[in-house]
Amino acid sequence: AQSVTQLDSHVSVSEGTPVLLRCNYSSSYSPSLFWYVQHPNKGLQLLLKYTSAATLVKGINGFEAEFKKSETSFHLTKPSAHMSDAAEYFCVVSAIGDKIIFGKGTRLHILP
Amino acid sequence: DGGITQSPKYLFRKEGQNVTLSCEQNLNHDAMYWYRQDPGQGLRLIYYSQIVNDFQKGDIAEGYSVSREKKESFPLTVTSAQKNPTAFYLCASSISNEQFFGPGTRLTVL
Repeated sequence: AQSVTQLDSHVSVSEGTPVLLRCNYSSSYSPSLFWYVQHPNKGLQLLLKYTSAATLVKGINGFEAEFKKSETSFHLTKPSAHMSDAAEYFCVVSAIGDKIIFGKGTRLHILP
Repeated sequence: DGGITQSPKYLFRKEGQNVTLSCEQNLNHDAMYWYRQDPGQGLRLIYYSQIVNDFQKGDIAEGYSVSREKKESFPLTVTSAQKNPTAFYLCASSISNEQFFGPGTRLTVL
């Protein structure tokens, strides 16, 4: 069975400071892990994905995530937040032949 | 451009009426999905289809129906049996477990 937990429902950071959105997962198989971003009243857009290649994954808009098997984590980071990063972020886990599981989302607020 | 389209963007329905949400993709993906999104609850799976003429119930299928007569199309009908249909509905297709999302339809029951 698979599960995913986003540890914070809301995160607030000041513009120009680092962003950390936390995600822990559980999977019986070698999982694929994804981060998606959703702006208000829009669909979800893929930020980055891990599929058992390099453990540090770089995505769009300066985001990256590190797959840590020992900690079962896949936290999303960005060195410097921009106002346009304000959105909801979803961590997703899946394995071939198994269900795709979405986290409940983390809303990121950027303070001027 | 390849992608997924959903129509309409906004939809209003009176209580007791059925309504159908459109989802079309030109990505040549076999698998398609419907999700419902409510504030603070993330995405919940309504129905999915792995191949034409076949579909499976997701976690919250009651009050909804789907069809998959063509690879490109996966329409969702919200029936009068759905007790609280006001929500944001997202359609997706996938390949190798990576999902591609449409822009969504916001349904409001008046």
